[in-house]
Amino acid sequence: DAGVTQSPTHLIKTRGQQVTLRCSPKSGHDTVSWYQQALGQGPQFIFQYYEEEERQRGNFPDRFSGHQFPNYSSELNVNALLLGDSALYLCASSLVLSRYGTGTYEQYFGPGTRLTVT
Amino acid sequence: ILNVEQSPQSLHVQEGDSTNFTCSFPSSNFYALHWYRWETAKSPEALFVMTLNGDEKKKGRISATLNTKEGYSYLYIKGSQPEDSATYLCAFPSGSQGNLIFGKGTKLSVKP
Repeated sequence: DAGVTQSPTHLIKTRGQQVTLRCSPKSGHDTVSWYQQALGQGPQFIFQYYEEEERQRGNFPDRFSGHQFPNYSSELNVNALLLGDSALYLCASSLVLSRYGTGTYEQYFGPGTRLTVT
Repeated sequence: ILNVEQSPQSLHVQEGDSTNFTCSFPSSNFYALHWYRWETAKSPEALFVMTLNGDEKKKGRISATLNTKEGYSYLYIKGSQPEDSATYLCAFPSGSQGNLIFGKGTKLSVKP
């Protein structure tokens, strides 16, 4: 059973460019969340997709956008890259309904994409 | 603004030592508390999801306790091994939808 996969592993872009990161969720999962981890910080929530719609969004500008496809895979797009966008971008997948029943979902993470903006 | 605090920031121990670290989180609107282990160049791995006050979970030499009334959780590692070297993250769901607010983590280094 393949876990969460992300591509590419590493990426170097120039300020002002646009980037697309990709994520395939764990088999059987239908929800994908994206997180950004800057150096020395914990991962920060960007947004979550379910049924091909953005369900919830963290405190990130509109330059960050995403998409979920019918096969549940997802893309994260960042436009007009800034130096401060350099970070590790993590994708996590989960099921909408979990055995915990409170709406709290056990999330499975991919290894991340390391984005460097120069 | 919800905040999750972890301490210490880093920890260096010898093989065989037992160790513990702390996660503090808001005690109101509690849904669950997640612990993850994150080894370098790998994916964060879920250790525990704790939901009940007084909950105590164990996986091998690693265990965790939860106090939702005072807003803290402890993670214990008994007889640390070099393979336990990793960053240990705790996370608190900000709402029922499950988006997680993470602490900065505790980086554990175990010397042989």
